[in-house]
Amino acid sequence: KQEVTQIPAALSVPEGENLVLNCSFTDSAIYNLQWFRQDPGKGLTSLLLIQSSQREQTSGRLNASLDKSSGRSTLYIAASQPGDSATYLCAVSWGSGNTGKLIFGQGTTLQVKP
Amino acid sequence: EAQVTQNPRYLITVTGKKLTVTCSQNMNHEYMSWYRQDPGLGLRQIYYSMNVEVTDKGDVPEGYKVSRKEKRNFPLILESPSPNQTSLYFCASSPAGAGNSPLHFGNGTRLTVT
Repeated sequence: KQEVTQIPAALSVPEGENLVLNCSFTDSAIYNLQWFRQDPGKGLTSLLLIQSSQREQTSGRLNASLDKSSGRSTLYIAASQPGDSATYLCAVSWGSGNTGKLIFGQGTTLQVKP
Repeated sequence: EAQVTQNPRYLITVTGKKLTVTCSQNMNHEYMSWYRQDPGLGLRQIYYSMNVEVTDKGDVPEGYKVSRKEKRNFPLILESPSPNQTSLYFCASSPAGAGNSPLHFGNGTRLTVT
């Protein structure tokens, strides 16, 4: 069964710290992997999308890496700020082409303390 | 403004009373999808549509119906709601499929079935 797991479920860090969020998935034959951010009471916002042929993607202070062979992706947040506090979710699409199915991890809730 | 609009934001209903949650996007996206989010279970895909008149089941389609008669709208229909369908529902869209482009999410509909 294709599954996505995010550990830990919650993380609390002091402001300014660099941190890494983890996402693991079964079945390495993925099509792509996306990272999202969810603020309380809001929908999800796409942060980064990594195609299966890519190793990493960067946007500002965010860097997402992909290691298909080990079934892992990490989201690196540099110099964390209180405004980064949110739930971060990863989602995986499998297959050889662009399909409609997407499976989400349960998310990691991040709190950045001033 | 490019957006995915869901209505209503909050809905309280009784068991067995048919309801429809609407979803509309103004970005001319081909792909649309519905998810439910439950504590401890994360986001699970209900149905998706790769284009007009093309719909497919996600992981948890039981008790739900969808239709895609026009590109911009993708309503979620609960013919006979039950309390286990109490959840937070999200609609999402992208230019093509779940794979090549970031997903755009609506702000969610919180449904309570008593």
